[in-house]
Amino acid sequence: EPEVTQTPSHQVTQMGQEVILRCVPISNHLYFYWYRQILGQKVEFLVSFYNNEISEKSEIFDDQFSVERPDGSNFTLKIRSTKLEDSAMYFCASSRQGSNTGELFFGEGSRLTVL
Amino acid sequence: GQSLEQPSEVTAVEGAIVQINCTYQTSGFYGLSWYQQHDGGAPTFLSYNALDGLEETGRFSSFLSRSDSYGYLLLQELQMKDSASYFCAGGGSARQLTFGSGTQLTVLP
Repeated sequence: EPEVTQTPSHQVTQMGQEVILRCVPISNHLYFYWYRQILGQKVEFLVSFYNNEISEKSEIFDDQFSVERPDGSNFTLKIRSTKLEDSAMYFCASSRQGSNTGELFFGEGSRLTVL
Repeated sequence: GQSLEQPSEVTAVEGAIVQINCTYQTSGFYGLSWYQQHDGGAPTFLSYNALDGLEETGRFSSFLSRSDSYGYLLLQELQMKDSASYFCAGGGSARQLTFGSGTQLTVLP
């Protein structure tokens, strides 16, 4: 069964460093997302991406964040200068073209720890 | 803005029925989805309600009342493996989900 894959599963970084989280969405999906979940809290929307551009983004997704689809399979989230409060689980997700059911397929997440 | 409220915890015994409620305040509303999350892993889609009424998928059912800004997830014949966090999610667009704070369900033997 196709699945969303994310790397790395866990990354530890120093405050101020740049981090890139990588995702391979399901191959025939056209909408891609990043969500994050601070430990013990709810899942929060960051950004959606379609047709090689950002479709929607939240207030969390400020200038420190960027997304890119560098090739036909990968979808990346970059945090330019990490802060302590960026420590969270980052989930990538994808959905089918035309889906309006809120059915997102999530990866297992990348846990980011900022020291 | 968007907000979805759920109880933080629910406990039930194996074989029982449990209902997890969700009330929402959103500017624009496309429908209500439900997700299950085990131990902080990948959230998994369970169900979706666009219209008022009950949707049934096996042991799980979901209900929506747009006039009351209210929905619930009903889990029947509870099993130990159902112990997880359950999130309602909604908002103005299916492409920008707002998740509720989550309900931790504990199923006891």
